[in-house]
Amino acid sequence: DVKVTQSSRYLVKRTGEKVFLECVQDMDHENMFWYRQDPGLGLRLIYFSYDVKMKEKGDIPEGYSVSREKKERFSLILESASTNQTSMYLCASSLLGRSGSSYNEQFFGPGTRLTVL
Amino acid sequence: QKEVEQNSGPLSVPEGAIASLNCTYSDRGSQSFFWYRQYSGKSPELIMSIYSNGDKEDGRFTAQLNKASQYVSLLIRDSQPSDSATYLCAVIAGKTSYDKVIFGPGTSLSVIP
Repeated sequence: DVKVTQSSRYLVKRTGEKVFLECVQDMDHENMFWYRQDPGLGLRLIYFSYDVKMKEKGDIPEGYSVSREKKERFSLILESASTNQTSMYLCASSLLGRSGSSYNEQFFGPGTRLTVL
Repeated sequence: QKEVEQNSGPLSVPEGAIASLNCTYSDRGSQSFFWYRQYSGKSPELIMSIYSNGDKEDGRFTAQLNKASQYVSLLIRDSQPSDSATYLCAVIAGKTSYDKVIFGPGTSLSVIP
């Protein structure tokens, strides 16, 4: 089974702190994704990566950065946390393959509920 | 703007009934379609994927795809209280491996014992 793990289930930080959220997958997936999920707004893509050291902006990258130094690990960084970044953060991974194939099925980690005070 | 739309619900069905969840999408070039189940406080879990027109069955779940009408549906037969969750429709709106998955807002399903 695909396993995606995230470093913390719950995290409380103060405004202005630098926050690191880590995600690790064990199935040799090329693609990795960071989403945030908020009530009424659904899942929104922050960043994704389809290879080591590669990254692409999603729909809401402002205030975030990412790092992918190893294939299995994808980190989300909040440079200076703000209260509007309080949210559920979800990491996902998938194989890289042609559209219309099962390669693009995404598997999610358990999520990190971040509260910024 | 590429969009995926779902009725937000809540959809309530009695135990043992068929639950029907619908999803429409705007990009005609979409090739990949997924249904995720998300329990409250948990992360989404992939339950079905479908790539060609027609029906695909897996246990009590059937996904239906109609590309001409740009809709995809999920039927849950013999609904159980444990099926109570939010169901997310997701679409890859493009033909390349690098196209992003677009998620719908989700439909909340409640199965009444």
